[in-house]
Amino acid sequence: EAGVTQSPRYAVLQEGQAVSFWCDPISGHDTLYWYQQPRDQGPQLLVYFRDEAVIDNSQLPSDRFSAVRPKGTNSTLKIQSAKQGDTATYLCASSPGTGGREQYFGPGTRLTVL
Amino acid sequence: QQKVQQSPESLSVPEGGMASFNCTSSDRNFQYFWWYRQHSGEGPKALMSIFSDGDKKEGRFTAHLNKASLHVSLHIRDSQPSDSALYFCAASLSNTGNYKYVFGAGTRLKVIA
Repeated sequence: EAGVTQSPRYAVLQEGQAVSFWCDPISGHDTLYWYQQPRDQGPQLLVYFRDEAVIDNSQLPSDRFSAVRPKGTNSTLKIQSAKQGDTATYLCASSPGTGGREQYFGPGTRLTVL
Repeated sequence: QQKVQQSPESLSVPEGGMASFNCTSSDRNFQYFWWYRQHSGEGPKALMSIFSDGDKKEGRFTAHLNKASLHVSLHIRDSQPSDSALYFCAASLSNTGNYKYVFGAGTRLKVIA
């Protein structure tokens, strides 16, 4: 069974530039999560979807971040105008439903904003 | 804001020793608890879950949950150098059908050969 795949693996930007992260979850998993993980900290939820619907985006900085999952499969997270404070690893995870189910994480995209 | 506090921040144990991790949550709505492990350069991987009070054992790993004190712990016996990693406690809320997870800041384990 293929795991969660993410691309790119690394990105380096200047402040003000835009970047998109792509995630392909495990086939059949209806729930998809995006997390931000600053260096040596725990993952912090940005947004999560059940199928194509956003369930919780309360921690997503809506002025610069956006996330979509148009067909309930792949997902894209976009930062419109990156800041140095956005430097972190961005993790995508999927699970077969909710209610305490295990999350399967991708390898992450390590973003550096100069 | 719901929080999950982990201790200690870092831990060193000799090969073959016992490693113990602690986690305290701030909200009685947390129902489901997971332990994840993250090796450098990889995404976190689930180790085990615990949903009911008491102990749960899986191989070298034992988790303990006390919902009254909002405390969950993980113990690794016979620690191996490959166990060196960052360990996270994750708690899932269950109110209003929103099952989002809250992760702790992590405990870094180093197993010394």
